[in-house]
Amino acid sequence: AQTVTQSQPEMSVQEAETVTLSCTYDTSESNYYLFWYKQPPSRQMILVIRQEAYKQQNATENRFSVNFQKAAKSFSLKISDSQLGDTAMYFCAFMKPPGNTPLVFGKGTRLSVIA
Amino acid sequence: DTGVSQNPRHKITKRGQNVTFRCDPISEHNRLYWYRQTLGQGPEFLTYFQNEAQLEKSRLLSDRFSAERPKGSFSTLEIQRTEQGDSAMYLCASSPNRVETLAGNTIYFGEGSWLTVV
Repeated sequence: AQTVTQSQPEMSVQEAETVTLSCTYDTSESNYYLFWYKQPPSRQMILVIRQEAYKQQNATENRFSVNFQKAAKSFSLKISDSQLGDTAMYFCAFMKPPGNTPLVFGKGTRLSVIA
Repeated sequence: DTGVSQNPRHKITKRGQNVTFRCDPISEHNRLYWYRQTLGQGPEFLTYFQNEAQLEKSRLLSDRFSAERPKGSFSTLEIQRTEQGDSAMYLCASSPNRVETLAGNTIYFGEGSWLTVV
């Protein structure tokens, strides 16, 4: 069974600074999908960024980017120019092939952006 | 708004009562998922559907839980004889099941239904 580990239960960052959230996973699959979701205090889970394992190029979405290290089974999220609205729980999630299979989530990292 | 819709958003019930939650997925999404989330934890998978067919059920889904998607559109999650340990947020999500694209593999979540069993 796949597992996802987020080793940082809580983190904080100053507004406008950069922060990196870590995620590691365990799988025997060679192709799969990885996601970062954000859950603000209002509680709706929102997709932040996604990556296909067979693509070497790291995904980017505006201020959000990932560092995908397939051999190390690592998928970290970098948030640049942090904003107060980035305050939320961040969940790393794994999806096994062929896709549209249930996500396996980590326990999350609570990020606080401080003014 | 054409996102995933869940209701009721909040439900308080007495132990032993039955409760039912409804989920309306994004239009034309043929996969529908149910998750449970407790405070400070990540979502845990319960079950999912391809159209009206239930494809998988988690060990977490005890025999007091039943989920249906009778016409392949909306879904219901019923909990019978509720227990205090059932208190959680129940999340519904959907996806288009187009595996040829990354967007087609992305799962979109509703706002969740909070259950408090007293």
